[in-house]
Amino acid sequence: KNEVEQSPQNLTAQEGEFITINCSYSVGISALHWLQQHPGGGIVSLFMLSSGKKKHGRLIATINIQEKHSSLHITASHPRDSAVYICAVYNTDKLIFGTGTRLQVFP
Amino acid sequence: KAGVTQTPRYLIKTRGQQVTLSCSPISGHRSVSWYQQTPGQGLQFLFEYFSETQRNKGNFPGRFSGRQFSNSRSEMNVSTLELGDSALYLCASSLQGTSFEQYFGPGTRLTVT
Repeated sequence: KNEVEQSPQNLTAQEGEFITINCSYSVGISALHWLQQHPGGGIVSLFMLSSGKKKHGRLIATINIQEKHSSLHITASHPRDSAVYICAVYNTDKLIFGTGTRLQVFP
Repeated sequence: KAGVTQTPRYLIKTRGQQVTLSCSPISGHRSVSWYQQTPGQGLQFLFEYFSETQRNKGNFPGRFSGRQFSNSRSEMNVSTLELGDSALYLCASSLQGTSFEQYFGPGTRLTVT
């Protein structure tokens, strides 16, 4: 079993829909990152959080340390949100990555 | 501020050869981490350098090595290349380490034939 599990693996949505991507982990962590990777490979860090909730524009990330679970929400999704979203946890001085969620948003 | 840069962007090598990849972090960032991304294994941590010292290493064979210079620029080297080393190699810089916000470079796509 992977130490970091993401669901769903693939997600399609219509423009304007509310999106939720989940991340569960089985190891102790001190921080969790949400990353976005567009076709071509470039990775952008969306959030880094260790507790609670963070919001940036249409993106919201939450984490529940007790339940070892984090969610990334996208409100009013747009075709430019189409990308792979990757959860990564900081454990014993290194990042462990989930396998990613491929999101496609259609107009 | 200029972002993280990686050179070269694309590279084709033959089995048995060695390769050196370069990463220039954002100015002021002292931590550089390297990652390998393949379709089968996803993203995996290679190693992290901070102030010219390797601070942490992932589960990769000794053929994978790296170093960091006094200006925080970093290089990684892969010796005796194998077909399985074909991957996208990404570096990321941060102020203090991997528990801090990471800024990724565009990656170097290595193909081993």
